[in-house]
Amino acid sequence: DQQVKQNSPSLSVQEGRISILNCDYTNSMFDYFLWYKKYPAEGPTFLISISSIKDKNEDGRFTVFLNKSAKHLSLHIVPSQPGDSAVYFCAASIRGNTGKLIFGQGTTLQVKP
Amino acid sequence: NAGVTQTPKFRILKIGQSMTLQCAQDMNHNYMYWYRQDPGMGLKLIYYSVGAGITDKGEVPNGYNVSRSTTEDFPLRLELAAPSQTSVYFCASSYGLEMANVLTFGAGSRLTVL
Repeated sequence: DQQVKQNSPSLSVQEGRISILNCDYTNSMFDYFLWYKKYPAEGPTFLISISSIKDKNEDGRFTVFLNKSAKHLSLHIVPSQPGDSAVYFCAASIRGNTGKLIFGQGTTLQVKP
Repeated sequence: NAGVTQTPKFRILKIGQSMTLQCAQDMNHNYMYWYRQDPGMGLKLIYYSVGAGITDKGEVPNGYNVSRSTTEDFPLRLELAAPSQTSVYFCASSYGLEMANVLTFGAGSRLTVL
């Protein structure tokens, strides 16, 4: 059973527009959520995170929103840039900071110039 | 500052062979992890360690073993390789405590079992 789901395998947006990547989860015990970005032939790199006690966290062009009642989080990238083209993984952990993460399947974002 | 280094990058094994994937980090991180990623799937935790001499199973530990004799190194041993172990393996590390979830990953080791 997939506890963290990214239902959109791919997303294509124009440079300068907003990219919205979505993630759903089923386990109400998750209390910390993260987004990782992955380029081909590289390992994932940490992008942004949010604790379950918050509903929004911003870092420059990246904002993560958490809707606990819907068990849904989203990553907004504004404005999108061609260098943002990558695979984005949503991840969650139980009991805060353990590093034992449950990952979604990933969404491939393509930003067209 | 190399970060997390994994070797080899690619390897083909025959069914029943054994091998060790090497992982080393130079960031003095306490926590280390092995994840695997199958095609079209998310990463799954195999084993993790919170410090030298301490290891524990993750979500998918069967068919693997680990050891952590130093802070820097966390090798993953595959015994009796099976086709189901064909995957990309990622080693990662983190400081632990409030930064435990911020993982630094290696570039990955692609393993094919035929």
